[in-house]
Amino acid sequence: EAEVAQSPRYKITEKSQAVAFWCDPISGHATLYWYRQILGQGPELLVQFQDESVVDDSQLPKDRFSAERLKGVDSTLKIQPAELGDSAMYLCASSQLWDKETQYFGPGTRLLVL
Amino acid sequence: KQEVTQIPAALSVPEGENLVLNCSFTDSAIYNLQWFRQDPGKGLTSLLLIQSSQREQTSGRLNASLDKSSGRSTLYIAASQPGDSATYLCAVLAGTASKLTFGTGTRLQVTL
Repeated sequence: EAEVAQSPRYKITEKSQAVAFWCDPISGHATLYWYRQILGQGPELLVQFQDESVVDDSQLPKDRFSAERLKGVDSTLKIQPAELGDSAMYLCASSQLWDKETQYFGPGTRLLVL
Repeated sequence: KQEVTQIPAALSVPEGENLVLNCSFTDSAIYNLQWFRQDPGKGLTSLLLIQSSQREQTSGRLNASLDKSSGRSTLYIAASQPGDSATYLCAVLAGTASKLTFGTGTRLQVTL
């Protein structure tokens, strides 16, 4: 069964450093989502792509976060510089264009900023 | 702005008990409501999806109900097992961009 892939699974970094996360959605899924989940809370949408275009990035802290999906397939989420409050689980999900109701989630990247 | 609340935040029950998890949302203009399971340090697994026009969905020992007008959903787990221990999240899908808004989750522990 096809799955959403994410790497790395774990990342420890020091504050002020740059970090990047990668997501490969299920093949053929046009819509890709990045969520941030702070410990003890539910996931919050950071950015949504439709192919290579950003549909919603209203909750993305644009002063330090950036996301791209250049060829409309895999995606990279970057944080520069990282802050202590960025410690969280970063989840990627994807869905088919005609079935946005069903989002398939990857295993996530757990980030710890020291 | 849609807000999703889950009660209780944590729950511990002995094996074999039936239990109910609650979810409420502030804006009833939703497309659907989903219940997810999350094991510690892992991603999300979809358990049940209820369309806005439906009242309930069942899968094995799980039953989810939806009362859209009152902004409430419940997840009923029958005959709980230690393997059911996890965090359960509800999420509503709404808006032109099909945005999922999650609750904060209920952390369930089923003891032997």
